[in-house]
Amino acid sequence: EVQLLESGGGLVQPGGSLRLSCAASGFTFSSYAMSWVRQAPGKGLEWVSAISGNAGTTNYADSVKGRFTISRDNSKNTLYLQMSSLRADDTAVYYCVKCTINCYLGWFDPWGQGTLVTVSS
Amino acid sequence: DIQMTQSPSSLSASVGDRVTITCRASQSISSYLNWYQQKPGKAPKVLIYGASSLQSGVPSRFSGSGSGTDFTLSISSLQPEDFATYYCQQSYTTPYTFGQGTKLEIK
Repeated sequence: EVQLLESGGGLVQPGGSLRLSCAASGFTFSSYAMSWVRQAPGKGLEWVSAISGNAGTTNYADSVKGRFTISRDNSKNTLYLQMSSLRADDTAVYYCVKCTINCYLGWFDPWGQGTLVTVSS
Repeated sequence: DIQMTQSPSSLSASVGDRVTITCRASQSISSYLNWYQQKPGKAPKVLIYGASSLQSGVPSRFSGSGSGTDFTLSISSLQPEDFATYYCQQSYTTPYTFGQGTKLEIK
C-alpha cells in the first residue's frame, strides 16, 4: 500500500523558514515524480511545486518561485519542501502527492494526510 | 497560466438525483483533465483521470467526459457518501491548475 506521511508543519513568523518532509513507502520512490499541493483554510487547492524522479527537473508556482525549494532524497524515500520568506498567505495545509510516473500529463494519486503551516506573528 | 472554471460553485441535490458538474479550461488541454473528490477534513482523492477514465475502486456511478476545453463530471444516482467538494485539475502544462471547486450539498 502506498503511504505518504508529511511532517514539519507548525507556526512560524512572517519572514521565517520551515522545512516540510514527506516519507514515502509502498512504491519505488525514485521512479515517480512528486508534488506539493496546498489548501488555504476554507479555500481551494493550489499546486505548489513538482520534482521528477531523479530530481533533474523541478517546477514551481509563480506564487512561491524564489522562496520555496523542492528536493528529494531517493536513498531515504523522502520528499522535502524548504520554505523561506514565509508570508501570511502561505498559511495552508500542505499535501504531499505522488504523480503517475510524471506529473505532466498525469494525475495526483495518492495524497498524504497533509501538514498545517501557519504563518503569523 | 491555464485557468480552470467550474460551474456551479455549489449545488444542492437529493439522494438518487443525477448531477453534472462542468469544468472549462481557458485553452485546449486535450484530455489531460482530472477530477478529485474531497470530504471535510480529508485529503482529496482522484475519481477520474484523462477526462474519462475511472480510477480503480471508484463506483461506476461516476463518469467523466469532454476534451479540448469543456469537460463534465456526472454522478448518475447520488449516494449519501457523495456529498463533498469536487475539483477539476489540468496536467497539460505547469502550473497544474485546479478549478475553484464545486460543493455538493444535500437538499
